[in-house]
Amino acid sequence: AQSVAQPEDQVNVAEGNPLTVKCTYSVSGNPYLFWYVQYPNRGLQFLLKYITGDNLVKGSYGFEAEFNKSQTSFHLKKPSALVSDSALYFCAVRDQGANAGKSTFGDGTTLTVKP
Amino acid sequence: DVKVTQSSRYLVKRTGEKVFLECVQDMDHENMFWYRQDPGLGLRLIYFSYDVKMKEKGDIPEGYSVSREKKERFSLILESASTNQTSMYLCASGFQGSYNEQFFGPGTRLTVL
Repeated sequence: AQSVAQPEDQVNVAEGNPLTVKCTYSVSGNPYLFWYVQYPNRGLQFLLKYITGDNLVKGSYGFEAEFNKSQTSFHLKKPSALVSDSALYFCAVRDQGANAGKSTFGDGTTLTVKP
Repeated sequence: DVKVTQSSRYLVKRTGEKVFLECVQDMDHENMFWYRQDPGLGLRLIYFSYDVKMKEKGDIPEGYSVSREKKERFSLILESASTNQTSMYLCASGFQGSYNEQFFGPGTRLTVL
């Protein structure tokens, strides 16, 4: 079985400060890891993913995430937050052995960036 | 640009009605998915399909069925709607291979009265 935990329901940061949205996962094999973002009244959009190789992955809108196998974590980061980054963020995991790609999503973290 | 469209943005139905939610994608994706999104519960997979006429149960299939007669279209069916099926329903599609990301539609907010 696979699972994802996003330990924080809400993250608040000031504009210009660095942000981190946390994600830990559990999977029987090796993971594929994803971050998605949902802006208000819009569908989910893909941000970035880890497949293999470099543990630091860069994605859209200046976001990056670091894969840490020993800590089974995949935290989302951005060096300088913008008010427009305020949204709901989801982490997702898939087992590399899964062909059809059934994903398990976390419960989501609401990021609020204040001016 | 990948486009995943859903037939309705908002839908209001009565208890016991049969409800059809339609999803269409234009990127020739093999995989299609139906999720429901509820506050504090994240996204939960209802059903997915990896090929035409193929389907597999997700984590919460009870009370739902699906149909995939054509590659681009994946329908979610509530045989007899109940109030606990009031939710946001999200359709997604993606290429075969578990390393591929999913592309989501805008969602259908279903209210069952």
